[in-house]
Amino acid sequence: KQEVTQIPAALSVPEGENLVLNCSFTDSAIYNLQWFRQDPGKGLTSLLLIQSSQREQTSGRLNASLDKSSGRSTLYIAASQPGDSATYLCAVRNDYKLSFGAGTTVTVRA
Amino acid sequence: NAGVTQTPKFQVLKTGQSMTLQCAQDMNHEYMSWYRQDPGMGLRLIHYSVGAGITDQGEVPNGYNVSRSTTEDFPLRLLSAAPSQTSVYFCASSPTGLNFYGYTFGSGTRLTVV
Repeated sequence: KQEVTQIPAALSVPEGENLVLNCSFTDSAIYNLQWFRQDPGKGLTSLLLIQSSQREQTSGRLNASLDKSSGRSTLYIAASQPGDSATYLCAVRNDYKLSFGAGTTVTVRA
Repeated sequence: NAGVTQTPKFQVLKTGQSMTLQCAQDMNHEYMSWYRQDPGMGLRLIHYSVGAGITDQGEVPNGYNVSRSTTEDFPLRLLSAAPSQTSVYFCASSPTGLNFYGYTFGSGTRLTVV
Protein backbone atom coordinates (compact mmCIF):
# COMPACT_ATOMS: atom_id res chain seq x y z
CA LYS A 1 0.00 0.00 0.00
CA GLN A 2 1.40 3.36 -1.03
CA GLU A 3 2.02 5.75 1.85
CA VAL A 4 2.55 9.44 1.08
CA THR A 5 3.95 11.84 3.69
CA GLN A 6 4.23 15.60 3.48
CA ILE A 7 6.52 17.57 5.76
CA PRO A 8 6.04 20.07 7.26
CA ALA A 9 2.30 20.00 7.98
CA ALA A 10 2.26 23.80 8.21
CA LEU A 11 4.59 26.60 7.22
CA SER A 12 4.50 30.37 7.80
CA VAL A 13 6.93 32.65 5.97
CA PRO A 14 7.28 36.39 5.25
CA GLU A 15 6.49 37.60 1.77
CA GLY A 16 9.38 37.22 -0.64
CA GLU A 17 10.89 34.17 0.97
CA ASN A 18 11.29 30.98 -1.07
CA LEU A 19 9.12 28.00 -0.10
CA VAL A 20 10.29 24.38 0.00
CA LEU A 21 7.62 21.71 0.40
CA ASN A 22 8.52 18.04 0.74
CA CYS A 23 6.71 14.88 -0.27
CA SER A 24 7.88 11.30 0.29
CA PHE A 25 6.34 8.01 -0.82
CA THR A 26 7.04 4.39 0.05
CA ASP A 27 6.47 2.57 -3.27
CA SER A 28 8.80 3.86 -5.98
CA ALA A 29 6.93 2.03 -8.79
CA ILE A 30 4.91 5.12 -9.65
CA TYR A 31 3.60 6.29 -13.01
CA ASN A 32 3.70 9.97 -12.09
CA LEU A 33 3.39 12.53 -9.30
CA GLN A 34 1.12 15.56 -9.29
CA TRP A 35 1.16 18.64 -7.07
CA PHE A 36 -2.14 20.37 -6.28
CA ARG A 37 -3.18 23.54 -4.54
CA GLN A 38 -6.34 23.69 -2.40
CA ASP A 39 -7.84 26.90 -1.06
CA PRO A 40 -10.10 26.69 2.03
CA GLY A 41 -13.48 25.17 1.19
CA LYS A 42 -12.53 24.71 -2.47
CA GLY A 43 -11.54 21.95 -4.83
CA LEU A 44 -8.08 20.95 -6.03
CA THR A 45 -6.19 22.91 -8.67
CA SER A 46 -3.42 21.10 -10.52
CA LEU A 47 -0.03 22.84 -10.36
CA LEU A 48 2.51 20.48 -11.87
CA LEU A 49 2.62 16.91 -13.17
CA ILE A 50 5.90 14.98 -13.27
CA GLN A 51 6.04 11.72 -15.20
CA SER A 52 8.10 8.89 -13.69
CA SER A 53 10.78 9.34 -16.37
CA GLN A 54 11.23 13.05 -15.60
CA ARG A 55 13.42 14.69 -12.96
CA GLU A 56 11.66 18.04 -12.74
CA GLN A 57 8.94 20.31 -14.08
CA THR A 58 8.70 24.09 -14.01
CA SER A 59 5.84 26.54 -14.35
CA GLY A 60 6.50 30.20 -13.63
CA ARG A 61 7.66 30.55 -10.02
CA LEU A 62 7.00 26.85 -9.34
CA ASN A 63 9.52 24.06 -9.75
CA ALA A 64 8.97 20.45 -8.76
CA SER A 65 11.66 17.78 -8.63
CA LEU A 66 11.27 14.02 -8.50
CA ASP A 67 13.74 11.41 -7.24
CA LYS A 68 11.81 8.21 -7.82
CA SER A 69 14.51 5.87 -6.49
CA SER A 70 14.56 7.56 -3.10
CA GLY A 71 10.80 8.18 -3.06
CA ARG A 72 10.96 11.96 -2.80
CA SER A 73 9.58 15.05 -4.50
CA THR A 74 10.09 18.68 -3.63
CA LEU A 75 8.00 21.68 -4.66
CA TYR A 76 9.85 24.99 -4.73
CA ILE A 77 7.92 28.27 -4.87
CA ALA A 78 10.15 31.26 -5.53
CA ALA A 79 9.57 34.73 -4.09
CA SER A 80 6.40 33.84 -2.20
CA GLN A 81 3.37 36.15 -2.20
CA PRO A 82 0.34 36.36 0.12
CA GLY A 83 -1.72 34.87 -2.72
CA ASP A 84 0.35 31.68 -2.40
CA SER A 85 -1.31 30.99 0.96
CA ALA A 86 -3.12 27.66 0.58
CA THR A 87 -2.75 23.95 1.27
CA TYR A 88 -0.46 22.10 -1.12
CA LEU A 89 -1.08 18.41 -1.77
CA CYS A 90 1.11 15.89 -3.49
CA ALA A 91 -0.37 12.77 -5.08
CA VAL A 92 1.35 9.74 -6.58
CA ARG A 93 -0.18 7.38 -9.10
CA ASN A 94 0.32 3.61 -9.00
CA ASP A 95 -1.64 1.78 -11.69
CA TYR A 96 -5.04 3.54 -11.64
CA LYS A 97 -4.89 4.58 -8.00
CA LEU A 98 -3.92 8.02 -6.76
CA SER A 99 -2.55 8.28 -3.21
CA PHE A 100 -2.42 11.65 -1.44
CA GLY A 101 -0.39 13.14 1.33
CA ALA A 102 -2.22 15.07 4.06
CA GLY A 103 -0.86 18.35 2.70
CA THR A 104 1.26 21.31 3.79
CA THR A 105 -0.67 24.44 4.79
CA VAL A 106 1.27 27.54 3.78
CA THR A 107 0.75 31.05 5.14
CA VAL A 108 2.65 33.90 3.50
CA ARG A 109 2.69 37.00 5.72
CA ALA A 110 2.57 40.42 4.05
CA ASN B 1 -15.49 23.75 -20.86
CA ALA B 2 -17.40 22.81 -17.72
CA GLY B 3 -14.74 20.23 -16.69
CA VAL B 4 -15.90 18.06 -13.78
CA THR B 5 -19.25 19.02 -12.30
CA GLN B 6 -20.42 17.75 -8.92
CA THR B 7 -23.90 18.11 -7.47
CA PRO B 8 -25.08 18.95 -4.89
CA LYS B 9 -22.47 21.22 -3.30
CA PHE B 10 -23.89 20.75 0.20
CA GLN B 11 -26.12 18.05 1.69
CA VAL B 12 -27.38 17.14 5.15
CA LEU B 13 -28.69 13.60 5.65
CA LYS B 14 -30.20 11.75 8.56
CA THR B 15 -28.64 8.48 9.64
CA GLY B 16 -30.03 5.64 7.54
CA GLN B 17 -31.08 7.76 4.59
CA SER B 18 -29.76 7.04 1.12
CA MET B 19 -28.64 9.46 -1.55
CA THR B 20 -26.65 9.77 -4.74
CA LEU B 21 -23.82 12.21 -5.33
CA GLN B 22 -23.59 13.17 -8.97
CA CYS B 23 -20.42 13.60 -11.03
CA ALA B 24 -20.30 14.49 -14.71
CA GLN B 25 -17.42 15.39 -17.02
CA ASP B 26 -17.47 16.72 -20.55
CA MET B 27 -13.85 15.99 -21.52
CA ASN B 28 -14.44 12.42 -22.78
CA HIS B 29 -12.14 11.08 -20.06
CA GLU B 30 -12.04 7.31 -19.67
CA TYR B 31 -10.98 7.35 -16.01
CA MET B 32 -13.21 8.66 -13.22
CA SER B 33 -12.91 8.29 -9.46
CA TRP B 34 -14.36 9.31 -6.11
CA TYR B 35 -12.39 10.47 -3.06
CA ARG B 36 -13.33 11.55 0.42
CA GLN B 37 -11.35 14.18 2.33
CA ASP B 38 -11.28 14.17 6.10
CA PRO B 39 -9.30 16.58 8.32
CA GLY B 40 -5.68 15.53 8.75
CA MET B 41 -6.05 12.42 6.56
CA GLY B 42 -5.71 13.68 3.02
CA LEU B 43 -7.88 12.33 0.23
CA ARG B 44 -8.73 8.62 0.16
CA LEU B 45 -9.91 6.70 -2.87
CA ILE B 46 -13.42 5.21 -2.61
CA HIS B 47 -14.13 3.75 -6.07
CA TYR B 48 -12.84 4.26 -9.57
CA SER B 49 -13.70 3.39 -13.16
CA VAL B 50 -11.53 3.02 -16.25
CA GLY B 51 -14.44 3.12 -18.68
CA ALA B 52 -18.16 2.60 -19.13
CA GLY B 53 -19.27 -0.66 -17.51
CA ILE B 54 -16.02 -1.07 -15.51
CA THR B 55 -15.66 -0.17 -11.83
CA ASP B 56 -13.34 -1.18 -9.02
CA GLN B 57 -12.86 -0.56 -5.32
CA GLY B 58 -10.39 1.84 -3.81
CA GLU B 59 -9.08 2.17 -0.27
CA VAL B 60 -12.38 2.89 1.56
CA PRO B 61 -15.30 1.37 -0.46
CA ASN B 62 -17.55 0.13 2.36
CA GLY B 63 -20.96 1.81 2.45
CA TYR B 64 -20.69 3.16 -1.10
CA ASN B 65 -21.80 1.87 -4.50
CA VAL B 66 -20.94 3.11 -7.98
CA SER B 67 -21.88 2.36 -11.56
CA ARG B 68 -20.65 3.69 -14.90
CA SER B 69 -23.27 3.40 -17.62
CA THR B 70 -21.87 6.27 -19.72
CA THR B 71 -18.45 7.84 -20.23
CA GLU B 72 -19.70 11.17 -18.87
CA ASP B 73 -21.32 10.17 -15.56
CA PHE B 74 -20.06 8.41 -12.44
CA PRO B 75 -22.58 8.65 -9.57
CA LEU B 76 -21.71 7.65 -6.00
CA ARG B 77 -24.49 6.08 -3.93
CA LEU B 78 -24.67 6.03 -0.16
CA LEU B 79 -26.93 3.11 0.70
CA SER B 80 -27.59 3.85 4.39
CA ALA B 81 -25.84 6.98 5.59
CA ALA B 82 -23.81 6.89 8.80
CA PRO B 83 -22.20 9.76 10.76
CA SER B 84 -18.79 8.32 9.80
CA GLN B 85 -19.57 9.26 6.20
CA THR B 86 -19.60 12.95 7.08
CA SER B 87 -16.89 14.27 4.80
CA VAL B 88 -16.10 16.28 1.70
CA TYR B 89 -16.38 14.19 -1.45
CA PHE B 90 -14.41 14.88 -4.62
CA CYS B 91 -14.81 13.42 -8.07
CA ALA B 92 -11.84 13.35 -10.46
CA SER B 93 -11.32 12.36 -14.07
CA SER B 94 -8.45 11.91 -16.47
CA PRO B 95 -7.64 10.53 -19.89
CA THR B 96 -5.70 7.28 -19.93
CA GLY B 97 -2.68 5.93 -21.75
CA LEU B 98 -0.54 8.23 -23.86
CA ASN B 99 -3.10 11.03 -23.58
CA PHE B 100 -2.68 11.30 -19.80
CA TYR B 101 -1.94 14.85 -18.62
CA GLY B 102 -3.06 14.70 -15.02
CA TYR B 103 -6.26 14.57 -13.04
CA THR B 104 -9.05 17.16 -13.05
CA PHE B 105 -11.08 17.52 -9.88
CA GLY B 106 -14.58 18.77 -9.26
CA SER B 107 -15.32 21.42 -6.63
CA GLY B 108 -16.59 18.90 -4.08
CA THR B 109 -19.74 17.94 -2.17
CA ARG B 110 -19.80 18.68 1.54
CA LEU B 111 -21.91 15.98 3.22
CA THR B 112 -23.07 16.00 6.84
CA VAL B 113 -24.81 12.97 8.33
CA VAL B 114 -26.67 13.65 11.58
